[in-house]
Amino acid sequence: EAGVAQSPRYKIIEKRQSVAFWCNPISGHATLYWYQQILGQGPKLLIQFQNNGVVDDSQLPKDRFSAERLKGVDSTLKIQPAKLEDSAVYLCASSLLGMGEKLFFGSGTQLSVL
Amino acid sequence: SQQGEEDPQALSIQEGENATMNCSYKTSINNLQWYRQNSGRGLVHLILIRSNEREKHSGRLRVTLDTSKKSSSLLITASRAADTASYFCATDRGGGATNKLIFGTGTLLAVQP
Repeated sequence: EAGVAQSPRYKIIEKRQSVAFWCNPISGHATLYWYQQILGQGPKLLIQFQNNGVVDDSQLPKDRFSAERLKGVDSTLKIQPAKLEDSAVYLCASSLLGMGEKLFFGSGTQLSVL
Repeated sequence: SQQGEEDPQALSIQEGENATMNCSYKTSINNLQWYRQNSGRGLVHLILIRSNEREKHSGRLRVTLDTSKKSSSLLITASRAADTASYFCATDRGGGATNKLIFGTGTLLAVQP
């Protein structure tokens, strides 16, 4: 079974630039999550989709971050404009139904904002 | 915000020894999960324990849950160098109807060969 695919693996940008990350979840998984993991910390949930609807985006900085999940399959997360404090690993995860079950994570995108 | 706090923050042991990590949380949960993260990689699910369970085993892993104390522990027996990783607990407050996983701060385990 193919896992959660993310790209790019690494990205280096300057502050105020824009960046986008892509995620393709495990086939058939209804729920997709984007987490931000700052070095030395645990992952923090940014947004959670159920199919193509948003379940939770309470911790998404909506003035600069946006995410979409068209057709309920793959997803993109965008930052515009980036700040230094956005340097982190962005992890995508998926789960089958999104009901009290385990998550499958991709390898993440490591973002450095200079 | 972080829901769980792992203790200790870092742990160094010799191969063959047992490693115990603890997790404390603040609010009622539906289930608690443990994940492992190797350096530079994504998280891998280890074990899920539901709020009505007290203990669960999976291979060399043993997880306990005490909902009265709002705490959980992960025991890795007969550790190996390959167990070197960060370990995170994640609490699910979704009530079963939806996942609402909040991760703790993690324990960095180093197993010396």
